[in-house]
Amino acid sequence: EPEVTQTPSHQVTQMGQEVILRCVPISNHLYFYWYRQILGQKVEFLVSFYNNEISEKSEIFDDQFSVERPDGSNFTLKIRSTKLEDSAMYFCASSERDQRTDTQYFGPGTRLTVL
Amino acid sequence: AQKVTQAQTEISVVEKEDVTLDCVYETRDTTYYLFWYKQPPSGELVFLIRRNSFDEQNEISGRYSWNFQKSTSSFNFTITASQVVDSAVYFCALAMDSSYKLIFGSGTRLLVRP
Repeated sequence: EPEVTQTPSHQVTQMGQEVILRCVPISNHLYFYWYRQILGQKVEFLVSFYNNEISEKSEIFDDQFSVERPDGSNFTLKIRSTKLEDSAMYFCASSERDQRTDTQYFGPGTRLTVL
Repeated sequence: AQKVTQAQTEISVVEKEDVTLDCVYETRDTTYYLFWYKQPPSGELVFLIRRNSFDEQNEISGRYSWNFQKSTSSFNFTITASQVVDSAVYFCALAMDSSYKLIFGSGTRLLVRP
């Protein structure tokens, strides 16, 4: 069964450093998403991406965040200058269509630890 | 404003007991979508079910069943004859036609003891 994959599974970085989290969505999916989950808390939406542009973003997704689909298979989340409060599990998700007719399937997550 | 409330923070049951996880949602949209996801200790989010607002039929899938009631804005999840492998955090989520995002509840941690 096709699945969303994410690398790395765990990333440790120093405050102020840039990190790139990578995702490979399910191959025939057209909508891509990033969510984050601070330890022990609810899952929060960051951004959705369709047709090579951001379709929606949350208040969390400020100027230090960016997303990109650099090729036909990868979808990345970049955090330019990490802060301690960016420590969280970051989930990538994809759907074949938007949620009106489809379901978002999540990857296993990348745990980001900012020291 | 849209919101999902899972009032039960943690539930502990003994194996083979039935357990119901509550979910109450708020939205002014007339068309919306409800989901349940499971997050086992390994951390991934596993899709369980999706319900459209115009389809109030309850659903059963093996030991799992879901009760959708628009009158009370609830979408409750019941596990029959619980098993240790059901131990996980369960999230209820809401999506609207007007947005791409899923709005998650705070989750219910279910512990099934042998």
